[in-house]
Amino acid sequence: AQTVTQSQPEMSVQEAETVTLSCTYDTSESDYYLFWYKQPPSRQMILVIRQEAYKQQNATENRFSVNFQKAAKSFSLKISDSQLGDAAMYFCASRTNFGNEKLTFGTGTRLTIIP
Amino acid sequence: EAQVTQNPRYLITVTGKKLTVTCSQNMNHEYMSWYRQDPGLGLRQIYYSMNVEVTDKGDVPEGYKVSRKEKRNFPLILESPSPNQTSLYFCASSPGQGVSPLHFGNGTRLTVT
Repeated sequence: AQTVTQSQPEMSVQEAETVTLSCTYDTSESDYYLFWYKQPPSRQMILVIRQEAYKQQNATENRFSVNFQKAAKSFSLKISDSQLGDAAMYFCASRTNFGNEKLTFGTGTRLTIIP
Repeated sequence: EAQVTQNPRYLITVTGKKLTVTCSQNMNHEYMSWYRQDPGLGLRQIYYSMNVEVTDKGDVPEGYKVSRKEKRNFPLILESPSPNQTSLYFCASSPGQGVSPLHFGNGTRLTVT
């Protein structure tokens, strides 16, 4: 079974600053994927970034990047140059590459951007 | 436009009154799934389907039913809703294995009184 833990229920950051959201996971599988999803007040689930566990290079998407530490089972999300539109609930999730494509989600971190 | 469409977006009902939340995707995806989102619990999988006529239970299937008669549709049925099924529900689909992400619908806010 997989578990995903987000230990920061809430975070805040000044506009234009950088913030890092933490995520740890546990899995017995060797082949898996990790994701960060953003949920704004509209409640849409929007994919922010994804990482294949077999890739050592950290994924990057514009202002969003991850710090993937496989041995430590850590998958943190860094948001650079924070913008007001980044305010949302952020969910970390994992999925194995076998059978059910179930995403196992963390409990989320609510990010507030301070103007 | 490629999308997953859920209806309705909001639903208020009473205990015991059967209801169906519809889900349709236009991306020819093999895999579809339902999740519920509750505060402090994140999203949890209810049921999933890996292809037409193939469905299986997720982590929290009690009180729910699904069917997959066509590839594009995957309705969620609550035959006798109870207040503990008050939640935000998401349908999702994906093309298959690998790093392909799940595409989510816009959610259905269900309140059972």
